[in-house]
Amino acid sequence: DAKTTQPTSMDCAEGRAANLPCNHSTISGNEYVYWYRQIHSQGPQYIIHGLKNNETNEMASLIITEDRKSSTLILPHATLRDTAVYYCIVRVTSGSRLTFGEGTQLTVNP
Amino acid sequence: ETGVTQSPTHLIKTRGQQVTLRCSSQSGHNTVSWYQQALGQGPQFIFQYYREEENGRGNFPPRFSGLQFPNYSSELNVNALELDDSALYLCASSLTDRGSREQYFGPGTRLTVT
Repeated sequence: DAKTTQPTSMDCAEGRAANLPCNHSTISGNEYVYWYRQIHSQGPQYIIHGLKNNETNEMASLIITEDRKSSTLILPHATLRDTAVYYCIVRVTSGSRLTFGEGTQLTVNP
Repeated sequence: ETGVTQSPTHLIKTRGQQVTLRCSSQSGHNTVSWYQQALGQGPQFIFQYYREEENGRGNFPPRFSGLQFPNYSSELNVNALELDDSALYLCASSLTDRGSREQYFGPGTRLTVT
């Protein structure tokens, strides 16, 4: 699976949009981009995934660049409960392992 | 709530002992993966079971072993515990098919080896 690079930490004001970047310059054509988050001492929570097109669900939006070498996870209206470590992961198929990096610690401030 | 449960929640063992951790998958899922998360690090893949067969393994020694049962519940066994085995152990269930499916994680078992 391709390697991903994320900033170590980010801050966001409550109610504002949180934009979390991820670089995956070696991504292959059949690899998906997944985002998970982990609130302190809990199991990781699936957020969203995509292949080429932008995706949106009730939690977030995923913007993937046309060359697919980077993506951005957008939390449109961050709340204090969104404070967590966010992991960007690239993987091929539904059966393959998730390779977690260091992730981005997002802190939402009141 | 993901529908994935793990037991026990916390466990304290002594070096050299053996431990069994349990995971109940989400209904309809045929694949379970186990991860180890040391303090301050991201989860590391241990192995995966698909339809009761091991279907991939990470860089963990043979003293880490597993089982998946016909009802798709699973166990992780660790023999000859070492201090470095202290970690949060996570299981994740998923449906392996032709699509790209997400994995749903349980709350984890916190293992402390003294």
